[in-house]
Amino acid sequence: DGGITQSPKYLFRKEGQNVTLSCEQNLNHDAMYWYRQDPGQGLRLIYYSQIVNDFQKGDIAEGYSVSREKKESFPLTVTSAQKNPTAFYLCASSYRGTGNEQFFGPGTRLTVL
Amino acid sequence: AQSVTQLDSQVPVFEEAPVELRCNYSSSVSVYLFWYVQYPNQGLQLLLKYLSGSTLVKGINGFEAEFNKSQTSFHLRKPSVHISDTAEYFCAVIFYNQGGKLIFGQGTELSVKP
Repeated sequence: DGGITQSPKYLFRKEGQNVTLSCEQNLNHDAMYWYRQDPGQGLRLIYYSQIVNDFQKGDIAEGYSVSREKKESFPLTVTSAQKNPTAFYLCASSYRGTGNEQFFGPGTRLTVL
Repeated sequence: AQSVTQLDSQVPVFEEAPVELRCNYSSSVSVYLFWYVQYPNQGLQLLLKYLSGSTLVKGINGFEAEFNKSQTSFHLRKPSVHISDTAEYFCAVIFYNQGGKLIFGQGTELSVKP
């Protein structure tokens, strides 16, 4: 069964700690994306990667980092530099090329205590 | 900056009534257009998309949307809604000169009441 998995579904973090969110896909997609969702603001792009070992900053990359060592995996680290990290985080993937549908994972809800 | 605007943050409607969720975008450049649906605490699912061709696009769950280039709009419609359509709906646009990035509207919360 092809799809995108994100883990964990809920994550709690103390202030000052880094935390890594997992995203795995078995759709054979080249491109992967991380979005942040806040109430009333839609989705905002954090980072994206069109190919292994390459990634670009999105609109709100400050306080986040990513890696793309494997085609299937695109983990997101929320660092202590992120001022307001409590949010719903969504990972997506697609085939390369403009206009291709992005497929979304189920999301991870991060709460900073 | 190019942007996407969903004109209604919340739309309450009775079951079996028609509904229209409005979406406008800011630019006159060529675009690809999408509508996604999100059920509570879940990811997004594609309802329909417009890439080229006929301006009336049919999607899943009985939804359709019409691309109007002169009005830079892509409104989503359903002739008769069900309780199960209660969800948040997002309009999203790829602008040709934005490197393929998907720009999302703020979302419209559709609430279907019996």
